[in-house]
Amino acid sequence: AQSVTQLDSHVSVSEGTPVLLRCNYSSSYSPSLFWYVQHPNKGLQLLLKYTSAATLVKGINGFEAEFKKSETSFHLTKPSAHMSDAAEYFCVVSDLDSGNTPLVFGKGTRLSVIA
Amino acid sequence: EPEVTQTPSHQVTQMGQEVILRCVPISNHLYFYWYRQILGQKVEFLVSFYNNEISEKSEIFDDQFSVERPDGSNFTLKIRSTKLEDSAMYFCASSDRGHGQPQHFGDGTRLSIL
Repeated sequence: AQSVTQLDSHVSVSEGTPVLLRCNYSSSYSPSLFWYVQHPNKGLQLLLKYTSAATLVKGINGFEAEFKKSETSFHLTKPSAHMSDAAEYFCVVSDLDSGNTPLVFGKGTRLSVIA
Repeated sequence: EPEVTQTPSHQVTQMGQEVILRCVPISNHLYFYWYRQILGQKVEFLVSFYNNEISEKSEIFDDQFSVERPDGSNFTLKIRSTKLEDSAMYFCASSDRGHGQPQHFGDGTRLSIL
């Protein structure tokens, strides 16, 4: 069975500094990995996805993530935080080959951006 | 950009009452899902639906829950006899392909059981 561990429940950064949100996954098959963002009172928006192509994945709003199989990690980064990045971020895994389609969510990391 | 839309945004219901949550998936999508998020907890999978039948369901999705696609556009989640612990945010999602592809989510329905 697949699972996701988001290592930090809350990350606080200053505006203009780099963002790092950490995620480790466990999967029996070839995983698909995603990052979703949830702004207050809004739905879940897809930031980026990894589905067995390039290991460095670029997403929307300047975010990117690197798939590292040896470390079973899929950390989310952004070079320079903006106030509008403050939100809840979810690392999500799904098995590409197993035929199971549900997404398995991490517990989420709340990103605060300080002016 | 096409969106998944959910109604209502907030539903308040007395315990024991039936509630129907409504979703309009993206029009050319074939796979439909319901998830829920209890306050302060993870987003949890409830059920997936393809080709007019349930393809997978979690342990949470017991006999009090049902899903239906009554016409070509709506996808509904019915909770027959609500309990206090059903209070949560319910998200509908859809995708054009299954097998580990990204899903597009609605803004959710906040269900409050009194």
